[in-house]
Parts: sequence; structure tokens; C-alpha cells
Amino acid sequence: AQSVAQPEDQVNVAEGNPLTVKCTYSVSGNPYLFWYVQYPNRGLQFLLKYITGDNLVKGSYGFEAEFNKSQTSFHLKKPSALVSDSALYFCAVRPSNDYKLSFGAGTTVTVRA
Amino acid sequence: NAGVTQTPKFRILKIGQSMTLQCTQDMNHNYMYWYRQDPGMGLKLIYYSVGAGITDKGEVPNGYNVSRSTTEDFPLRLELAAPSQTSVYFCASSLNRGDYGYTFGSGTRLTVV
Repeated sequence: AQSVAQPEDQVNVAEGNPLTVKCTYSVSGNPYLFWYVQYPNRGLQFLLKYITGDNLVKGSYGFEAEFNKSQTSFHLKKPSALVSDSALYFCAVRPSNDYKLSFGAGTTVTVRA
Repeated sequence: NAGVTQTPKFRILKIGQSMTLQCTQDMNHNYMYWYRQDPGMGLKLIYYSVGAGITDKGEVPNGYNVSRSTTEDFPLRLELAAPSQTSVYFCASSLNRGDYGYTFGSGTRLTVV
């Protein structure tokens, strides 16, 4: 069975500082990894994905994530956070030969001005 | 392009009542999914469908039913509502296995009292 762990319920950073949201996963076979963001009272929006290739993937709104196979991690990063980045972030995983995503519990990011 | 549309946005049910959560997508996606979101628990898969006429259970199917008579529509039926079904429900769709991510609806907030 696949699973995702997001070890931090909340991350607080000052605007302009780097932002990191942590994610580790467990899956059989090759992982397909995703990050989604949810703003209040909205559905989830796709940010980025790792399927294969370069371990550093770039996505929407200046976010990027690094796939680390040995550490089974897929941390989300942004070099300079904005107040508008305040939201709930979800990491998700599925095996390459399946299509059902498993989500982490989510990390609430608050960026203070 | 509307994407994934869910109705209603909010609903209060009494214990034992039934209702149908509607979901429709206009992207000609063949895969569709129902998730529930509970605080601190992430998203749990209720049911999914890989095409019209084909449905299958996810992680938490008890108390729910689905049907998929067309590509566009994937309604979720709650029979005999229970307080444990108080949650936010999200419908999502993807093209094939979702290698480019899922598209989510804006959710239905259901309270069972």
C-alpha cells in the first residue's frame, strides 16, 4: 500500500524568506509524485509533478520540488515566499502502474508580511 | 471551460436522510474520483471510475454508492446519512491515469445532524 507523510501540520515564514514544505512517501515500484495547493473554500489545484527525469521539477507560481529517491522525499520549495502563498498544501503519490492517488494530511502554510 | 462542477456547495442533512452529490466535467476525461476531506486527515478515496459503466471502491466506500452512465457525470449517493459522513466532498477527473494531474471541483460541504 502507498502512503504519504507530511510531518509538519503548519509552516510559518516571513514574506521574502525561503519556504519549504516536507513530504516523504512509501510506494511499491516507481513513484509518481504530485503537489497540490488548496485555498480557503476552494478545490485543490495542481502545482507540479515528478514522473521521471530531472530530480528537480518546476511548477506553477514559482514553486519547485526535489525528488530524492534514497530518502523517499519530495519536498516543495519556493525561494522567496509571498503572502499570497498562504494556503493548505498536499503531497500525493501513486505507483507508476496505478492511477489512484494517495494524499498526505496536508500542511498549512502561513506567510506573514 | 467549466472544468469540474459540483452541486450543491453546502448541505445540511438529518440523520437517516439520503441525498445525491452531483459532479459533472466537460473536459472529456475518462477517469473520475470522489474524495472526502476531513481535518488533519487529508483526502480519502471513496469511489472511482475509469469510464462510463465502470466503477470501483476506494478506501472508504461504506455508506456511499456511485454510478457512471455517461462520461461527463459521476454522482455520489449517500443513503441513510450518519454524523460520520460530515465532511467536505471533492470530485475530481483526469485524462487516463492522471499523469498531468487531477482537476478538482470546488467541493460540497456536508453536515449531518
